[in-house]
Amino acid sequence: QKEVEQNSGPLSVPEGAIASLNCTYSDRGSQSFFWYRQYSGKSPELIMSIYSNGDKEDGRFTAQLNKASQYVSLLIRDSQPSDSATYLCAVSPARQLTFGSGTQLTVLP
Amino acid sequence: NAGVMQNPRHLVRRRGQEARLRCSPMKGHSHVYWYRQLPEEGLKFMVYLQKENIIDESGMPKERFSAEFPKEGPSILRIQQVVRGDSAAYFCASSPGTGVSGEQFFGPGTRLTVL
Repeated sequence: QKEVEQNSGPLSVPEGAIASLNCTYSDRGSQSFFWYRQYSGKSPELIMSIYSNGDKEDGRFTAQLNKASQYVSLLIRDSQPSDSATYLCAVSPARQLTFGSGTQLTVLP
Repeated sequence: NAGVMQNPRHLVRRRGQEARLRCSPMKGHSHVYWYRQLPEEGLKFMVYLQKENIIDESGMPKERFSAEFPKEGPSILRIQQVVRGDSAAYFCASSPGTGVSGEQFFGPGTRLTVL
């Protein structure tokens, strides 16, 4: 079983729609959870961090964490073509990050 | 620019040569992490360092790879006798090291090509 699994995609949504990205993790001792965005040929960019159960909102982004279900999600509201990228879920059971394989999102104009 | 700096951005080496990748963390950050991203694969942790100390090198290949973070100067990831399978993007990330948030910020990466 992979340590961090993401819905493999690719995922396509029309402009203005909600994009939903999901992630599950295996290490119950994980305390910190992150979403990174990576454009093709670029480095990962931190867009959200979440540490406790529930929702955390930042602009058009909402991260959701359910530690009992070992589940993290990212919602992108009012999706824009500029949101087209690969989204990486990262979990931190220790200091280093364990990444999922990423979900490629395309927002269609 | 207060971000994480890496150089060179692109590095071409022939098989058997050495590759040296450098990383300067964000100002105020004392923890450095190296990750590797192979073509069409995810990011994999390699090593975690603080100044003059290797904290966790569980992701480093057993041979040819080494890392350091000296008291002065950037962190260095060194790959000896490179092989074609070493071709990848190597990213450095840094964090403040205090608190429990663990947020890491990535540099632009070094794209290593082994001919």
